[in-house]
Amino acid sequence: DIQMTQSPASLSASVGETVTITCRASENIYSYLAWYQQKQGKSPQLLVYNAKTLAEGVPSRFSGSGSGTQFSLKINSLQPEDFGSYYCQHHYGTPLTFGAGTKLELK
Amino acid sequence: QVQLKQSGPSLVQPSQSLSITCTVSGFSLTSYGVHWVRQSPGKGLEWLGVIWRGGSTDYNAAFMSRLSITKDNSKSQVFFKMNSLQADDTAIYYCAKSLYGSSLYWYFDVWGAGTTVTVSS
Repeated sequence: DIQMTQSPASLSASVGETVTITCRASENIYSYLAWYQQKQGKSPQLLVYNAKTLAEGVPSRFSGSGSGTQFSLKINSLQPEDFGSYYCQHHYGTPLTFGAGTKLELK
Repeated sequence: QVQLKQSGPSLVQPSQSLSITCTVSGFSLTSYGVHWVRQSPGKGLEWLGVIWRGGSTDYNAAFMSRLSITKDNSKSQVFFKMNSLQADDTAIYYCAKSLYGSSLYWYFDVWGAGTTVTVSS
């Protein structure tokens, strides 16, 4: 199975700051990567797919980049509603696997 | 509005089976696939399997021997069944709509609210 390693595991930031979360795949997954946001007690929501395509309705302060084995999710000018957990997911073959998550907390 | 509503038990006895129904609205099961994902504190998010619009299925090999996903297009329902549950199967189980109708990209754009399942006697 392809392993997805996210860093950092947790992150504290203030409203207005810019943060970057990274995801590393254990082998080349080309651009077959998605990012999800999950708030406490809620289901995950799709933010980015194919590494850099924003899902419908996702604010432009979110951006995804990378290919191969190294990926990142950047959030510009953090808003209060952006705090929660973020997960990467690949779909280069089965099984699909997810990263362990990055918890973004308010400083 | 696309919605996936889940119904199923919250408590399952060890060695028994788990059945969850995912009833969809706002889209047709003949146009999109539906995936199943579970989440637990110890194992995180795990993809379990998918039923595609044509009725074919793909399963995570780790669960294939005890997992079945079927559907009834006319009722807009997808049926999830996992056998021989043990304590480490305790998790939140989600159904989720496939972003695209084809199996080209395996992403999930709308999720159900989840069914919290505890395996305990």
